[in-house]
Amino acid sequence: DAGVTQSPTHLIKTRGQHVTLRCSPISGHKSVSWYQQVLGQGPQFIFQYYEKEERGRGNFPDRFSARQFPNYSSELNVNALLLGDSALYLCASSFERISGNTIYFGEGSWLTVV
Amino acid sequence: AQSVAQPEDQVNVAEGNPLTVKCTYSVSGNPYLFWYVQYPNRGLQFLLKYITGDNLVKGSYGFEAEFNKSQTSFHLKKPSALVSDSALYFCAVRDYLGGADGLTFGKGTHLIIQP
Repeated sequence: DAGVTQSPTHLIKTRGQHVTLRCSPISGHKSVSWYQQVLGQGPQFIFQYYEKEERGRGNFPDRFSARQFPNYSSELNVNALLLGDSALYLCASSFERISGNTIYFGEGSWLTVV
Repeated sequence: AQSVAQPEDQVNVAEGNPLTVKCTYSVSGNPYLFWYVQYPNRGLQFLLKYITGDNLVKGSYGFEAEFNKSQTSFHLKKPSALVSDSALYFCAVRDYLGGADGLTFGKGTHLIIQP
């Protein structure tokens, strides 16, 4: 079975531009979360989507948004890009929202803002 | 908020020797603890988790972790290290983040296995 898949793997954007990152969860998984990993740090929770609704958000500005589609895939959108948005963006999926469920991560999308 | 701490930035071990990567936690209630591994320029791979039950948890690639409630620790261990185990290891705790169920990660520990 395929794991969590993300696209694109790498991209370069200019300050002020907009970016869209895509994620397909593991088949049967209904929960998708997004994390930002800045070089040298652990991943930081951005938000979680479950049954197409945002269920919670970490400490990230409104420039970050996402949506989940009926097939449970998800898009992360970032507007008005800043240099500090350069990071590895990780998508994660789990079967349900239950705390004991394992969260599986994709390979990530490397975003460089110049 | 829940938190985990990984006190070592880097751990160096000779191939064939046992390895330990340390993690301590601070939580309210019962902790749900996880270990992930990240190879260079890759995503995170799940190794193992502790939810409840036996304090010794066995995971992928021969890794195991020991949950110690009195010391609030969840150290990752392996009896005999391989060069291919060299990677960045993250300890994480399930946390209630902005209304959602997410993971709070430690800062990571670089594990270097020397031939």
